[in-house]
Amino acid sequence: DAKTTQPPSMDCAEGRAANLPCNHSTISGNEYVYWYRQIHSQGPQYIIHGLKNNETNEMASLIITEDRKSSTLILPHATLRDTAVYYCIVRANNDYKLSFGAGTTVTVRA
Amino acid sequence: EPEVTQTPSHQVTQMGQEVILRCVPISNHLYFYWYRQILGQKVEFLVSFYNNEISEKSEIFDDQFSVERPDGSNFTLKIRSTKLEDSAMYFCASGLEPYEQYFGPGTRLTVT
Repeated sequence: DAKTTQPPSMDCAEGRAANLPCNHSTISGNEYVYWYRQIHSQGPQYIIHGLKNNETNEMASLIITEDRKSSTLILPHATLRDTAVYYCIVRANNDYKLSFGAGTTVTVRA
Repeated sequence: EPEVTQTPSHQVTQMGQEVILRCVPISNHLYFYWYRQILGQKVEFLVSFYNNEISEKSEIFDDQFSVERPDGSNFTLKIRSTKLEDSAMYFCASGLEPYEQYFGPGTRLTVT
């Protein structure tokens, strides 16, 4: 049961910001938004997570709308090494598992 | 930077054989997980393990599967009698808190 909707693919130019959208219109009050990525069959890699406030770390920024029904992951300066499948995942605090969807395949082009 | 490691990187086995996939989680982590990814498909949750017991498992994790933390450092996934459809990448993950999961590089299991 898909809790998130992401575009299947997107391209972005090296050095530019990449903005990855995610819809989670049925998100519950106790559910967080997580972003992971998977580079070519490697293990998924944690990027960032948030509840309702915007978050930033060394990898990315997460912007969550006020109604929490959608969010955007921002890679501020995309590099070729950011080419990967990016997963937006909604998860409650008391839920151990991560439920991966199909994600967005991001291709960074030189 | 500490990492989750997994061995072997590739395991080939015959149908009906038992396999054990091994993982060394990050040393101070308390939460442990196994996921799998069949080629071209989504990453699927198998099981989570905390405080020496299974905390959650999926429908995939049937009686053919078991997990163990035998010596306080390794975390293993055993498949008792492998089937062709068990062929997949198996990822181990660990975390200090429930909300974080650090994944290993995976073991590719091929059942022939």
